Amino acid sequence: GIQVEQSPPDLILQEGANSTLRCNFSDSVNNLQWFHQNPWGQLINLFYIPSGTKQNGRLSATTVATERYSLLYISSSQTTDSGVYFCAVYGGKLIFGQGTELSVKP
Amino acid sequence: NAGVTQTPKFQVLKTGQSMTLQCAQDMNHNSMYWYRQDPGMGLRLIYYSASEGTTDKGEVPNGYNVSRLNKREFSLRLESAAPSQTSVYFCASSEAYAGGGLSGANVLTFGAGSRLTVL
Repeated sequence: GIQVEQSPPDLILQEGANSTLRCNFSDSVNNLQWFHQNPWGQLINLFYIPSGTKQNGRLSATTVATERYSLLYISSSQTTDSGVYFCAVYGGKLIFGQGTELSVKP
Repeated sequence: NAGVTQTPKFQVLKTGQSMTLQCAQDMNHNSMYWYRQDPGMGLRLIYYSASEGTTDKGEVPNGYNVSRLNKREFSLRLESAAPSQTSVYFCASSEAYAGGGLSGANVLTFGAGSRLTVL
């Protein structure tokens, strides 16, 4: 089945810094979503982005389907950005990567 | 508008006991899912229901059963709980089956999670 790999596994930032999270997948997909899990466990959809680029405030995402990767950009990070970021792709089932744990320090 | 509601939020079971996790959504979504989350393993799909009246196995279905009771409700049953089923369980729903297409109708909305401990 399709493999999903996220990098880096962990990331520590100072408030105000920018970051890029990466999601690689092993086969072509037509469904890719990014999620944020906050420190209380709630999972929130950030982007539905099977291809192209989308922006929502300080967050943006780009998927290059032909090269089998997606990037999530976080600019001017805030402590409330802390948590785990997951990408999920459709490979017969909607498969989640193992996540990037982000910690933003004040 | 409550979104996706899961009950119970916490449960402790003894090995061999049975229980049912309940999930209900009020968004008129067609598709519903059960995931489990274990440390370092992301979320793994247990079962899903692409539409009312259908259910299908996900990545890790062994030891579980599901029932799509109606369009709103999708329950997950553990018939004989085992310590390996200690996990956080998430229910999710989407307007359309998250299997593909370019429509945003595939976006998943998650419940708050249910933490299950099996002793």
